[in-house]
Amino acid sequence: QSVLTQPPSTSGTPGQRVTISCSGGSSNIVSNTVNWYQQFPGAAPKLLIYSNNQRPSGVPDRFSGSKSGTSASLAISGLQSEDEADYYCAVWNDSLDSWVFGGGTKLTVL
Amino acid sequence: QLQLQESGPGLVKSSETLSLTCTVSGGSINRNSFYWGWIRQAPGEGLEWIGNIYYSGLTYYNPSLKSRVTISVDTSKSQFSLKLNSVTAADTALYYCTRNWGNWYFDLWGRGTLVTVSS
Repeated sequence: QSVLTQPPSTSGTPGQRVTISCSGGSSNIVSNTVNWYQQFPGAAPKLLIYSNNQRPSGVPDRFSGSKSGTSASLAISGLQSEDEADYYCAVWNDSLDSWVFGGGTKLTVL
Repeated sequence: QLQLQESGPGLVKSSETLSLTCTVSGGSINRNSFYWGWIRQAPGEGLEWIGNIYYSGLTYYNPSLKSRVTISVDTSKSQFSLKLNSVTAADTALYYCTRNWGNWYFDLWGRGTLVTVSS
């Protein structure tokens, strides 16, 4: 069972805005910055959002991140078929002295 | 452009030691602020951090694996390595080598290598 909780799946139609939540606690999300990764089938994860809300070069501004209290969220606006992938949140956990990942959310574009 | 490439046996017998190497190309492993490490993903499952190492040799390990894991670095070869001993079927996974900036985020990943533990 993951320290960070994500919904196992979510879906949306093209053009829609979807959000994926990541719930944690005081030892992780509250005290450290959250990162998000995108993983396509058969491929390595790719950094999508770092430091809660920063996009690496090349990531479309349709992707945005936020954090509030013990939770973080990834938002995807103007949903496209190529956004169909698995999404993971990750954060350093102070009490475990360890990186922890959410269980992942499978996004389906209907 | 810096790249990471995992190498090592794809099949390991139960109770033996899993050994993987990651070769860093296109850049220096001796850079301040970068940590090098390993993350694994069991088939159909999520991501699990194994550990990180700084070029100086400073290491951080996942507490749940710490008793079985050793990560080392060879700066002369631009490589870092993973050893996981006493493996079981639960260690069957895709193993990724990674670069972590400042222990803030994993910004670079290898393609991953599948290791299967057989009985």
